[in-house]
Amino acid sequence: DQQVKQNSPSLSVQEGRISILNCDYTNSMFDYFLWYKKYPAEGPTFLISISSIKDKNEDGRFTVFLNKSAKHLSLHIVPSQPGDSAVYFCAARPSGTYKYIFGTGTRLKVLA
Amino acid sequence: DAGVTQSPTHLIKTRGQQVTLRCSPISGHKSVSWYQQVLGQGPQFIFQYYEKEERGRGNFPDRFSARQFPNYSSELNVNALLLGDSALYLCASSLGLGAGIAAGYTFGSGTRLTVV
Repeated sequence: DQQVKQNSPSLSVQEGRISILNCDYTNSMFDYFLWYKKYPAEGPTFLISISSIKDKNEDGRFTVFLNKSAKHLSLHIVPSQPGDSAVYFCAARPSGTYKYIFGTGTRLKVLA
Repeated sequence: DAGVTQSPTHLIKTRGQQVTLRCSPISGHKSVSWYQQVLGQGPQFIFQYYEKEERGRGNFPDRFSARQFPNYSSELNVNALLLGDSALYLCASSLGLGAGIAAGYTFGSGTRLTVV
């Protein structure tokens, strides 16, 4: 029962262009959504989060959009840089808990 | 300032053996969570500890156990190892249970466990 889904296992984007990573979820009881980035041999690194009461949060080159009616989350990276090449995970927190449910990840490759 | 430290970094065990993984959280962080990441999958929640008490448990068998010490460090124990326990085990720390929720956890680099 995969409650958080990242249907694109990989994505390639040219340097300077926009990267859009998508995430779908099935549980309407999630109250926080987060994006993590993971490089090989390192633990996941927090990128950006959004509360379920908001529809957009921006931090520098990173913007997360939440569409609750569609149960869809997306991360926009503008402009994309080669150093952004990593695996990106979306994660969701069920309300009233302190755990995160992670998607399976999308491998982003930014081409110079 | 040290981040989340995990030891050992790599480990090879035989089926049926027992293993103990260790985690030291960021100084001042009182909550530690454990996640298992199998190759090709996202991290899966195992346990959360706060102030030495278990505050959450994922869908893992009783072969998995953990504890938190007075200095907030933590150990994850897995008994009767199976081949399917081969994974990257991640420890994450946070200030408190809900503190810094918008900032997420801080993860360590993990322990790579291989069961043969």
